[in-house]
Amino acid sequence: EVQLVESGGGLVQPGGSLRLSCEASKFTFSRYWMSWVRQAPGMGLEWVANINTDGRETYYVDSVKGRFTVSRDNAKNALYLQMNSLRVEDTAVYYCGRPDAPGTVDYWGQGTLVTVSS
Amino acid sequence: DVVMTQSPLSLPVTLGQPASISCRSSESLVRSDGNSLLNWFQQRPGQSPRRLIYKVSNRDSGVPDRFSGSGSGTDFTLKISRVEAEDVGVYYCMQGTHWPWTFGQGTKVEIK
Repeated sequence: EVQLVESGGGLVQPGGSLRLSCEASKFTFSRYWMSWVRQAPGMGLEWVANINTDGRETYYVDSVKGRFTVSRDNAKNALYLQMNSLRVEDTAVYYCGRPDAPGTVDYWGQGTLVTVSS
Repeated sequence: DVVMTQSPLSLPVTLGQPASISCRSSESLVRSDGNSLLNWFQQRPGQSPRRLIYKVSNRDSGVPDRFSGSGSGTDFTLKISRVEAEDVGVYYCMQGTHWPWTFGQGTKVEIK
């Protein structure tokens, strides 16, 4: 079955940076768009970013534009989220997901927790 | 951005009884190809989200047939015909027709 494993979360100070990774397996990674979705503690889900199959098209929610960058390495079956200028409100569990079609996500990783605090 | 509004936000249900969750979008979710990209996700306590329904009414493989989705335009519904203990969790609708994708606030289903 499809596997998505996130890593890279942790505690960072406001204004700091962090790079999340998502290792994909058991499917042909290069054929799928990929997504990042986050969930603040005790809160609902928020879509963060999408990237197309070759990495040339990216989409972001307004609140992270200019601060976060989504990228991928199809040779390594890996998805990344570079997060700069982090804010307290970026504190969340970050999930990577696989859209199997436009406008949806069929598989989700287990998530990695990012805590932004001084 | 398209606002997704779910109701109720809390839904206590008796085992074996039906349950229904409403999701309304601030804009029509119908695309030029005629499809509406409305999804339903279940998030059990301590787990990642799991997709139940895509394109309004298509049930994912392995999802019990007691779950069904319906609706059109801006009004959508998730129904559970007979609630079981394993259905406890939070249910989210999500639209993927318009950028950015947006989720409803979530409906917490619990057993009375």
